[in-house]
Amino acid sequence: GNSVTQMEGPVTLSEEAFLTINCTYTATGYPSLFWYVQYPGEGLQLLLKATKADDKGSNKGFEATYRKETTSFHLEKGSVQVSDSAVYFCALSENDYKLSFGAGTTVTVRA
Amino acid sequence: DTEVTQTPKHLVMGMTNKKSLKCEQHMGHRAMYWYKQKAKKPPELMFVYSYEKLSINESVPSRFSPECPNSSLLNLHLHALQPEDSALYLCASSQGTLATNEKLFFGSGTQLSVL
Repeated sequence: GNSVTQMEGPVTLSEEAFLTINCTYTATGYPSLFWYVQYPGEGLQLLLKATKADDKGSNKGFEATYRKETTSFHLEKGSVQVSDSAVYFCALSENDYKLSFGAGTTVTVRA
Repeated sequence: DTEVTQTPKHLVMGMTNKKSLKCEQHMGHRAMYWYKQKAKKPPELMFVYSYEKLSINESVPSRFSPECPNSSLLNLHLHALQPEDSALYLCASSQGTLATNEKLFFGSGTQLSVL
C-alpha cells in the first residue's frame, strides 16, 4: 500500500536559519502530494501541494518539488521565523477521500 | 466563510456518559470527515460522508456513531467510551475528492478526555 516516511524530529532552529524536512513516499500510481501544518491548539492547514512529477508547490516562503525519480517531496524554507514553529505533516492522496500522513515533524524556531 | 467550526472545544466525560461532537461548514463542501488525533501523532481517518451518505468507515468501534443531518452539519455521537479514546477529534471538509487535488479544510478540533 501507499505510505509516507517523514524525517524524525524535533527540529530546533534559530530565526533566519534554513529549514529542510525530508519526506519520501511509496505509492502505486501517481498520487498528489501535500504538506499540512498544524500550529499549537489548531487543526491542520494545507501549506502546499503538487499534483504531478516535477511540480513545485509553494506558499508563505515554503517550497517542495514532486520528485518521481527519488520518490521525494522535501519541504524547504530559506529563512524561518518564530511564527513557523509548528508540526509539519507530509501526506499523499490514497484515493478519493483518504490521505496517508507521515508521522509529523515538530519544528521550533528560537528568536 | 472559509471555516469549519467545531463545538465544544473541550469535553470531559465519564465512561457511562453519552455526548455529541458537532461540526459545521458553510462553504458548500460535499464531503465531510472525522479524524482522531493522539498527541504528537498524525490524524487517523474515522469516517467520511459524501453527499450526506456514509462513504467510509475505517472499522471504528460502534461506541462512535456519526451522523450527517444535512450538507452543512456533521455530528459524532459518543457512548460508553474508554479512557484510550481520549484524543483530539478533528472535523474536516472538502469541495470535491482528494484524488482531484482538493484540499481538506480542518476545524480546530474537540479535545476529549474520558475519565
